[in-house]
Amino acid sequence: GQQVMQIPQYQHVQEGEDFTTYCNSSTTLSNIQWYKQRPGGHPVFLIQLVKSGEVKKQKRLTFQFGEAKKNSSLHITATQTTDVGTYFCAGQGNTGFQKLVFGTGTRLLVSP
Amino acid sequence: DAEITQSPRHKITETGRQVTLACHQTWNHNNMFWYRQDLGHGLRLIHYSYGVQDTNKGEVSDGYSVSRSNTEDLPLTLESAASSQTSVYFCASSEDPTGGPQYFGPGTRLLVL
Repeated sequence: GQQVMQIPQYQHVQEGEDFTTYCNSSTTLSNIQWYKQRPGGHPVFLIQLVKSGEVKKQKRLTFQFGEAKKNSSLHITATQTTDVGTYFCAGQGNTGFQKLVFGTGTRLLVSP
Repeated sequence: DAEITQSPRHKITETGRQVTLACHQTWNHNNMFWYRQDLGHGLRLIHYSYGVQDTNKGEVSDGYSVSRSNTEDLPLTLESAASSQTSVYFCASSEDPTGGPQYFGPGTRLLVL
């Protein structure tokens, strides 16, 4: 079945440094979503990418969807302590109604 | 405001007992999902429903069941709790099954002794 891998599993940065997490699917996706989960909280939807090669920005966050619609990345510029949490990608398959398959997540720790 | 709630928020039970976790949403979404979250595995889908009387198995459905008798609720039942089912359980709902965000509840922490 469909698998979604995410790297790195964990990253610790100093405030102001950049951060990137990568997501790879074993199959072509119809769309990919990104979620953020704060420590002790629940996943919160950030964005959805649908088109091949799509790039979307939300303030300091930049999201990309690969040309083959099998990979994606989230880049945070100049991290802040409020960025702490676990970032998950979630892929939706290419045929009709499909459930999301979540990546294992990247846990981001930001030191002031 | 529309919301999705889960109860209880914390539960301790013993091996072999039946446990039911409640999920209630006021978004009027047709689609509802149950996930479990464990370290190193991310979120794994247990069961999902695309509408009343519709239920489907996810990737880790063994030992779990759901029923959908109305739009608002999707209770998750552990038929005979096992220690391997100690986890954090999240319920989610969405409007469009072909895409679009899922909205998650606050989660239930379950400990099976």
